[in-house]
Amino acid sequence: GDSVTQMEGPVTLSEEAFLTINCTYTATGYPSLFWYVQYPGEGLQLLLKATKADDKGSNKGFEATYRKETTSFHLEKGSVQVSDSAVYFCALRSGAQKLVFGQGTRLTINP
Amino acid sequence: EPEVTQTPSHQVTQMGQEVILRCVPISNHLYFYWYRQILGQKVEFLVSFYNNEISEKSEIFDDQFSVERPDGSNFTLKIRSTKLEDSAMYFCASTQKTGRVETQYFGPGTRLLVL
Repeated sequence: GDSVTQMEGPVTLSEEAFLTINCTYTATGYPSLFWYVQYPGEGLQLLLKATKADDKGSNKGFEATYRKETTSFHLEKGSVQVSDSAVYFCALRSGAQKLVFGQGTRLTINP
Repeated sequence: EPEVTQTPSHQVTQMGQEVILRCVPISNHLYFYWYRQILGQKVEFLVSFYNNEISEKSEIFDDQFSVERPDGSNFTLKIRSTKLEDSAMYFCASTQKTGRVETQYFGPGTRLLVL
């Protein structure tokens, strides 16, 4: 079945550091790929998405590129802020209606 | 901006009791979902619902679970006889259309604790 694997957390960085959170997937067909973010005490919010190979999703300085050849959708940001501290979830959606999530990566940014 | 809301935000119940978790999806959305996240584990799909019918469910969604859209705005998840292992965060989500490119919009979740 479809699955998503994210890098183990927690991840702790200093402000203005470069961020990469790795995400790889296994899916039949051609899934859409998503990054969701969960800030403390809040629900899951869509951060960005990509619906076909080589698409780049971007939002709030975050980017991720749909790489079919490596089945990856790594999340990057050039300069993180304290306000980026949250849990980040990679997810995919193929033919079925459901989203399949990775295990989440907790990110803490220190001033 | 329209959002999905959920009530209650927290619920504590005794094992064997029935609980109903409530969700108000975005008003023009037609497809509704429940997910859950056991502490420290992945967010897992439970069920999807469209046109007053379950359209897909996971193996987790057994006979103890049911969903209902009792009126034009609410979408509920009922657990008939709660177990300790039902303790989790439950998320409701909705979309206007179906299809792999559609974004699912999530509520803030209900944290359920079964004692």
